[in-house]
Amino acid sequence: AQKITQTQPGMFVQEKEAVTLDCTYDTSDQSYGLFWYKQPSSGEMIFLIYQGSYDEQNATEGRYSLNFQKARKSANLVISASQLGDSAMYFCAMRDYYGNNRLAFGKGNQVVVIP
Amino acid sequence: DSGVTQTPKHLITATGQRVTLRCSPRSGDLSVYWYQQSLDQGLQFLIQYYNGEERAKGNILERFSAQQFPDLHSELNLSSLELGDSALYFCASSVAGGRGADTQYFGPGTRLTVL
Repeated sequence: AQKITQTQPGMFVQEKEAVTLDCTYDTSDQSYGLFWYKQPSSGEMIFLIYQGSYDEQNATEGRYSLNFQKARKSANLVISASQLGDSAMYFCAMRDYYGNNRLAFGKGNQVVVIP
Repeated sequence: DSGVTQTPKHLITATGQRVTLRCSPRSGDLSVYWYQQSLDQGLQFLIQYYNGEERAKGNILERFSAQQFPDLHSELNLSSLELGDSALYFCASSVAGGRGADTQYFGPGTRLTVL
């Protein structure tokens, strides 16, 4: 079974600084996908970034980048130049590539950006 | 705005009652997924439909059922409601069957409160 671990306590980040959110995963699959979602206080789940297990480059989407270390089974999200609107819960999720279609989510990381 | 719509946004009902949650996927998406988010269980996958057929099943209770209609909208039916069913219910959609890089886009959710 897939397992996602996000154990950081809530984080306070100064506006314009970078923040790294930790995510480790456990799977016996060789092919899988990793996703990060953002959930602001309004409740919706917003897709941020995707990384495939066979992708050679770390994924980037605007201010979001994924620091993927396959051997360590970690997929940390880096948010550069934090903005007040980045205050939210951030969820790491994974799905195996060919079989199970469900996303397995971690418990989330809380980020509060302060001016 | 992800393009996935869910109605209603909020639902308050009593124990023992039955409710129906509705979801319209993004234009062109064939897969619909249902997730439940609660404080104690986190985000849990319930069920997936692909082009009208059930594709994957997760931790869905027997009191819950879902279907996907020919126009691809989906409904999640929750019956004999209990206090513990209070949660945020998300619908997500994706283009294909949910494998590989197929990304799930989430709707705004329906917040169910059972009194």
